[in-house]
Amino acid sequence: QLQLQGSGSRLVKPSQTLSLTCTVSGGSISSGGYFWSWIRQPPGKGLEWIGHVYHTGDTYYNPTLKSRVTMSVDRSKNQFSLEMSSVTASDTAIYYCARARIPGAERTWFDPWGQGILVTVSS
Amino acid sequence: DIVMTQSPDSLAVSLGERATINCKSSLSVLYSSNRKNYLAWYQQKPGQPPKLLIFWASSRESGVPDRFSGSGSGTDFTLTISSLQAEDVAVYYCQQYYTTPLTFGGGTKVEIK
Repeated sequence: QLQLQGSGSRLVKPSQTLSLTCTVSGGSISSGGYFWSWIRQPPGKGLEWIGHVYHTGDTYYNPTLKSRVTMSVDRSKNQFSLEMSSVTASDTAIYYCARARIPGAERTWFDPWGQGILVTVSS
Repeated sequence: DIVMTQSPDSLAVSLGERATINCKSSLSVLYSSNRKNYLAWYQQKPGQPPKLLIFWASSRESGVPDRFSGSGSGTDFTLTISSLQAEDVAVYYCQQYYTTPLTFGGGTKVEIK
């Protein structure tokens, strides 16, 4: 059964870079041709898609965040990562990693999801 | 961007009664070439990630109880819980995947009356 587990810094200072990693178990990040995704949820609020990364390194980002976001894949570790620069308090959120469900498709729903990491931006 | 608007923001339903959640997209999410609606529904319980319920607007995910059903086409969609159970208390979200950026509705909180 495919499982995703996020990890990374839970407290980030304003203007610094948020860094998160998602470790995939129960399957290879390179098989099946899926995109791997990041989605965030400010406390008590709704969901926002951040972007996808493919095992080849191809990416799709939400235009509202594109200038600050970088996603990458480490196939040797079966992991994918998110970096978000110049963070502010409005970037405080639970960050979820997830698999895009339709192979090879950037337009898809998400399943499964990782448990999520609460990242707080504060000095 | 396609804006997804859910209604109501919250609803309270008696156990065993029907719960109906609406989702409206600012543009049609019906793809003409395959006649599929690019819409999914999720359930999120406190402290948990969203759980997939429905995709292609009306296809139930494996293992999801059949009291959950999705309907609608184009810009107007509905998630129905035919007989509310205590374990269905959650926030429900719709999501369009017709185009990027992928977008979600604001959520509907379902409680027991």
